[in-house]
Amino acid sequence: EAGVVQSPRYKIIEKKQPVAFWCNPISGHNTLYWYLQNLGQGPELLIRYENEEAVDDSQLPKDRFSAERLKGVDSTLKIQPAELGDSAVYLCASSLEYGELFFGEGSRLTVL
Amino acid sequence: DQQVKQNSPSLSVQEGRISILNCDYTNSMFDYFLWYKKYPAEGPTFLISISSIKDKNEDGRFTVFLNKSAKHLSLHIVPSQPGDSAVYFCAAQDSSYKLIFGSGTRLLVRP
Repeated sequence: EAGVVQSPRYKIIEKKQPVAFWCNPISGHNTLYWYLQNLGQGPELLIRYENEEAVDDSQLPKDRFSAERLKGVDSTLKIQPAELGDSAVYLCASSLEYGELFFGEGSRLTVL
Repeated sequence: DQQVKQNSPSLSVQEGRISILNCDYTNSMFDYFLWYKKYPAEGPTFLISISSIKDKNEDGRFTVFLNKSAKHLSLHIVPSQPGDSAVYFCAAQDSSYKLIFGSGTRLLVRP
């Protein structure tokens, strides 16, 4: 069974540019999460989806971050415009209901 | 305000000895606790969990202990192996099923 797939693995952009990350969860997992992990820190939840509905986006900086999961399967996280402080690893995870989270390998963003 | 704290950023132990990783939390409403393991350039993987109604859960070489009165949990690895070298994250789940992670402890098991 395929795990959580994320792309790109690495992205380098200049500040003020847009960037998008894609996540395909494990088949059948209805809950999808985007986490942010800064260097030396634990993952912090940005947004959680149950199917196509965002049930917790309280930590998502909505002025520059957006996310969608239109058909309740794969998801895209966008940052526009990117700032230097956005350099981090963006992790996607999925789960069956509220069970164990399965993480992807992450997308490492560097903003110059 | 960190609700889940891992106060030791790193730990080094000899192969074959016990590794003890500690985690403290502040929210008494947390009802489920998990440990995740992370290798470099990979996402975290689930290791072991414990419900707040228990005080111990064991899975092979890994045992998690929960002390609710002290709001403290620990992960014991016995015996430690070089392949256990990784970053270990403690996480706590609240009533809305939100997972809150600690900052991690980097374990190095020396051969």
